[in-house]
Parts: sequence; C-alpha cells; structure tokens
Amino acid sequence: NAGVTQTPKFRILKIGQSMTLQCTQDMNHNYMYWYRQDPGMGLKLIYYSVGAGITDKGEVPNGYNVSRSTTEDFPLRLELAAPSQTSVYFCASSYGPTAMGGYTFGSGTRLTVV
Amino acid sequence: AQSVTQPDIHITVSEGASLELRCNYSYGATPYLFWYVQSPGQGLQLLLKYFSGDTLVQGIKGFEAEFKRSQSSFNLRKPSVHWSDAAEYFCAVVPVNQAGTALIFGKGTTLSVSS
Repeated sequence: NAGVTQTPKFRILKIGQSMTLQCTQDMNHNYMYWYRQDPGMGLKLIYYSVGAGITDKGEVPNGYNVSRSTTEDFPLRLELAAPSQTSVYFCASSYGPTAMGGYTFGSGTRLTVV
Repeated sequence: AQSVTQPDIHITVSEGASLELRCNYSYGATPYLFWYVQSPGQGLQLLLKYFSGDTLVQGIKGFEAEFKRSQSSFNLRKPSVHWSDAAEYFCAVVPVNQAGTALIFGKGTTLSVSS
C-alpha cells in the first residue's frame, strides 16, 4: 500500500548539473503528474502523462523533460540545473482525467540548486 | 482569465474557534472543486471534493465545504479548530470539458492555530 513514492527526498545540485527525480506508483493509475511548489505560489504543473508512452507539457515545462515507459514510473529529468529550479517537486497520480477519486501525491523532493 | 483564487494568505484562529477559508474560481463552466491540506514537510492530502449534487460537502477530519454557484465560491469550514489543523490549505479545480487538463491550484492559505 505504498501509493506514490518519490526519491530522493532531498538533493543539492550545482548549477549546470543534471539529475533525475524518480516517481513510482503502485495503484495502476494511468494519469501521472509533476508539480513544483514555490512559497506563496501554490503548485504549478510541469508535465503530465495520460498513459505509458504519452506525455504532455504543463504550465512550466522549460528546463525539464519526462518519459513514461511503464504505467508505474514517471521520472522527471533536469538538464543543466539553474537556481530558478530550486523548489519542492511533487509527483501525483490519478485514475482518470477528472480526478474524481482525487490525486494521490508523493511526499515530495526538496531540490536546491547552488 | 481562468483562475482559482484564495484571498487569504495567512489566517490565525484560536483553538476551538470556527474556521472558514475562502476559495473563488473564474471559469465558464463550474469546474470540479477540491480542497487539499499540506502539513509541514508533507505531501498533499485530499480533504473533500465537489462534482455535482448537494452543495454542502463533508470531508475528512471534520471539514466541510459549501459550493455557491452564484458567488463562484467553494469555501472550506470547520466548526471547531484543533491545534493539529495548523497547515497549508489549497483549493484546486479541474476545468470541465477541456482536453489535457489537470488540477489547478490556488496559491494556498496558511492556517495557524493559537492556544
């Protein structure tokens, strides 16, 4: 009964480095999402996926990439990290597009770029 | 422009007092409406949701919310606040009849509880 699992929980990157934030869900949800949370700004959608092999951009996709090779996994890739990418990142999943069952969120990854 | 607004950035309530957190939305058609809570250092937990029907919705932890179409609002209430309710609360919507949509969040309201 793990739900949505994100790793790592914390990470410090240097400017220009790259990394992958991992997200795995065990609920067989087709829909998965990546959000970033900045103080006072709520959560903003980076990318989402409606199923394996299908991804699309959200509101703030620049500087990020995603892939969805399996139903369970939805990794977020940061290339050439910048200080503006310092944020808390949340992965979420849902059974359907209208989220009638609500989204299930991971516990987040706190990323600092220095 | 389409948006979801939480007018109050920070609210302080005495323990045992009642609580109302405001949420307004601006969409052509009534979106699906949600309230989430985030405790410090944690992920988000769904409190309640509204899609249609009875405009007073009951959620977990003693919370309820009332949908008012005329005011485009979906305010969250609790009759008696406990210290453990201190957290950040997010109103969120999913627009209807729009392809490729996901939860859109307000900026959040931080609730502090004083003793």
